[in-house]
Parts: sequence; structure tokens; C-alpha cells
Amino acid sequence: SQQGEEDPQALSIQEGENATMNCSYKTSINNLQWYRQNSGRGLVHLILIRSNEREKHSGRLRVTLDTSKKSSSLLITASRAADTASYFCATDTGANSKLTFGKGITLSVRP
Amino acid sequence: KAGVTQTPRYLIKTRGQQVTLSCSPISGHRSVSWYQQTPGQGLQFLFEYFSETQRNKGNFPGRFSGRQFSNSRSEMNVSTLELGDSALYLCASSIIAGETQYFGPGTRLLVL
Repeated sequence: SQQGEEDPQALSIQEGENATMNCSYKTSINNLQWYRQNSGRGLVHLILIRSNEREKHSGRLRVTLDTSKKSSSLLITASRAADTASYFCATDTGANSKLTFGKGITLSVRP
Repeated sequence: KAGVTQTPRYLIKTRGQQVTLSCSPISGHRSVSWYQQTPGQGLQFLFEYFSETQRNKGNFPGRFSGRQFSNSRSEMNVSTLELGDSALYLCASSIIAGETQYFGPGTRLLVL
């Protein structure tokens, strides 16, 4: 079963614009991780945010976590064509490394 | 450090056969997890190993099994393959539970 639900399912923006993706989940978590996947290849880890953190930054990425609403958002600033990929949020309840993934968001960045 | 490696990268099998996939984690990582990715079901957790012990298993039939060796390398096996087993199988490693999981490139299995 999938715990995470990403929103929107697909997003198309112009290069240079910001992209915001949302994720909601159902149960208490230990951490939430965001991943990127290009064309059915392996997942690339973007950022991990723990349940006691509210915001984290990494380069052009900004992730927020609201445990009271059981939701997270990923912001990619100044997007590039190379950011075109599928993005997944995954929740970790802390029980033996089991990640539960959402269905993913397809981001298209037009040059 | 070298990343997670998976072999083979591509595999074609026929129904009824069995297959073994291999995963080498990042050096020093003791936890290895396996996931199946299909267009219909998305990414689903198969199982997780730590120090040669299976600690967690997803909701998959007994045809799916795995093991971990003393050097933390892991294998998963699927017996009596079905068409629905066609998928991208991803392996991930982490130092311990609750930390970042790093994924390999995956093995794409096609069952004919």
C-alpha cells in the first residue's frame, strides 16, 4: 500500500521558474525522503527531513515538513531542463528501513 | 565511495523460470532493502536485510526470497516467474535503519 500521495501528478513549467510539489502521508513517520528518477533508472536521493525538523535546504532544493498536517513540500528554484524527471516522496516509520513511496510526480521543464 | 551496484542490469526470462538478482551495497552499509517498481503498482517494498538477517518483509508471495552475505552483499530470488513479475527491481543500502537509503541503478526484468 502507498502511504505517500504526491500532488500534482504532473507539472510542466518553463526553465527558470520554480516548481513546487506536495506530498501527504497517513501515519507517523521517523523521516521523509525525496527522490528523483530519470526515465525508469535508479532513484537519486535528494534530501531527508526528520520528523523533528520543519525545513531543510540543499542547493536549489527546499523541503518543508508539517507533521501536524502530515504533509511535505519540495520546492525546486530556478528550474533547469535537466530537472525533468519523476519525483517521489517516501516515508520511513523507523521500522527496519522500509520506505513507503507515493506514486510520484512527473516534472517537465521546458527550455 | 562507489555507489550501490546491481547485476545484471537487464534480464529476459520466460514464465516458470527462476531468476537471481545481485546487489552490492555501499562500503560500510549493513542494511540492504529491495523494491519492485511497476507502472501499475509503483514502488513497493520487498524486504530488508541487516547483518544477514531479514528484518522486514513486504506483501509479496513466497516466490520472492532473498539473503544477505557476511560482506553485506545481497541477492534476491524469484521462482516460478509470472508475467506480472516484469518490473524494475531496485536495491538500496543504508548505514542503519532510519537513515538515507541510496539506490542502485536497478535490474530490469522482462518475463515472456
